[in-house]
Amino acid sequence: EDQVTQSPEALRLQEGESSSLNCSYTVSGLRGLFWYRQDPGKGPEFLFTLYSAGEEKEKERLKATLTKKESFLHITAPKPEDSATYLCAVQAADTGNQFYFGTGTSLTVIP
Amino acid sequence: SAVISQKPSRDICQRGTSLTIQCQVDSQVTMMFWYRQQPGQSLTLIATANQGSEATYESGFVIDKFPISRPNLTFSTLTVSNMSPEDSSIYLCSVRTGSSYNSPLHFGNGTRLTVT
Repeated sequence: EDQVTQSPEALRLQEGESSSLNCSYTVSGLRGLFWYRQDPGKGPEFLFTLYSAGEEKEKERLKATLTKKESFLHITAPKPEDSATYLCAVQAADTGNQFYFGTGTSLTVIP
Repeated sequence: SAVISQKPSRDICQRGTSLTIQCQVDSQVTMMFWYRQQPGQSLTLIATANQGSEATYESGFVIDKFPISRPNLTFSTLTVSNMSPEDSSIYLCSVRTGSSYNSPLHFGNGTRLTVT
């Protein structure tokens, strides 16, 4: 069965302390891996799409990478405004439009 | 990306009643999706709403409980019927605006429903 697992569930960082969030997946034929940011009381906000192993995307302090089994969201020198829940989702070739979401990593950046 | 507006943003309802959630998109889209987000759980697809045809429901969700309307290419409603406390959740409307089969989903801000 297709599955997406995110770790850690929660992460507390000091401002400026870089770290990485993990998204591991088991799907049959990856069509895309998607990262979202979700603030309290808001819907998920799209960040990146990765399509194939070795691909990388960057946006400000965030960098997403992809291997055949997992993706990392690297956060460099985070600021308090980076505090949010980060969700990972995958779309598999054998399930058409279906997106499989992880349960997210809740990131808190302490000033 | 599209601007997706959901109403209401939150509501507190009594068990046995029904609530209709509205989703308005600022551009025409072929498919609209309704998701549920329960605390500590991943987003779960309820159904796909296509204009001009009946919605397609995922396993575990039925039309009698979650009737959906899709009268045009910019609007959809999801009704949560005969509510129980187990229906307390965030309900999210979502669309895909790209033409590629693997374009990302974009979400509204959700409706936070509490059933007492």
